Amino acid sequence: AQSVTQLDSQVPVFEEAPVELRCNYSSSVSVYLFWYVQYPNQGLQLLLKYLSGSTLVKGINGFEAEFNKSQTSFHLRKPSVHISDTAEYFCAVSDRGSNYKLTFGKGTLLTVNP
Amino acid sequence: DADVTQTPRNRITKTGKRIMLECSQTKGHDRMYWYRQDPGLGLRLIYYSFDVKDINKGEISDGYSVSRQAQAKFSLSLESAIPNQTALYFCATSAGRGPGDNQPQHFGDGTRLSIL
Repeated sequence: AQSVTQLDSQVPVFEEAPVELRCNYSSSVSVYLFWYVQYPNQGLQLLLKYLSGSTLVKGINGFEAEFNKSQTSFHLRKPSVHISDTAEYFCAVSDRGSNYKLTFGKGTLLTVNP
Repeated sequence: DADVTQTPRNRITKTGKRIMLECSQTKGHDRMYWYRQDPGLGLRLIYYSFDVKDINKGEISDGYSVSRQAQAKFSLSLESAIPNQTALYFCATSAGRGPGDNQPQHFGDGTRLSIL
């Protein structure tokens, strides 16, 4: 069965600092990986996805993530954050064994301080 | 207009009441999903449907039922609501037809349900 671990429940940073949100997954077969962002009082929006191909994936709002198969990780990074990046971020995995259903991590609250 | 619309956005009700949450989409997607979100637990899948004639239980289906009335409509029912079903509920849709066709999911803005 697939599972996702987001290693930090909260990450506070200052504006213009770099940030990394960590995500590890477990799956016995080839995986598809996603990062979603949830702003207050809104639904989830797709930030980026890894389906196949290049392991470095670029998404919206300047975010990127790197798929590392040997470490079973898919960490999200941004070189310089803004106040508006304050939100909750969810890593998710799906695979053929789960009939491509998404399994979500518990989320990481990113708080960007001035 | 939103592509995935959930109604109502907020609902407060009492234990034992029957509740229906509705979801409609204009994206033309075949696949629809219902999740609940609880603080610190992320999103958990309640039910999903890959087409009008297909309904599947998710991770936490006990106490819930669903109906796929049309390609565009997928409703979630709580037959007899209990306080631990207080949560934020999300509907989502995705494209894709075959088992290897894995497309991202698109979410509504959620329904905040409180059961007293």
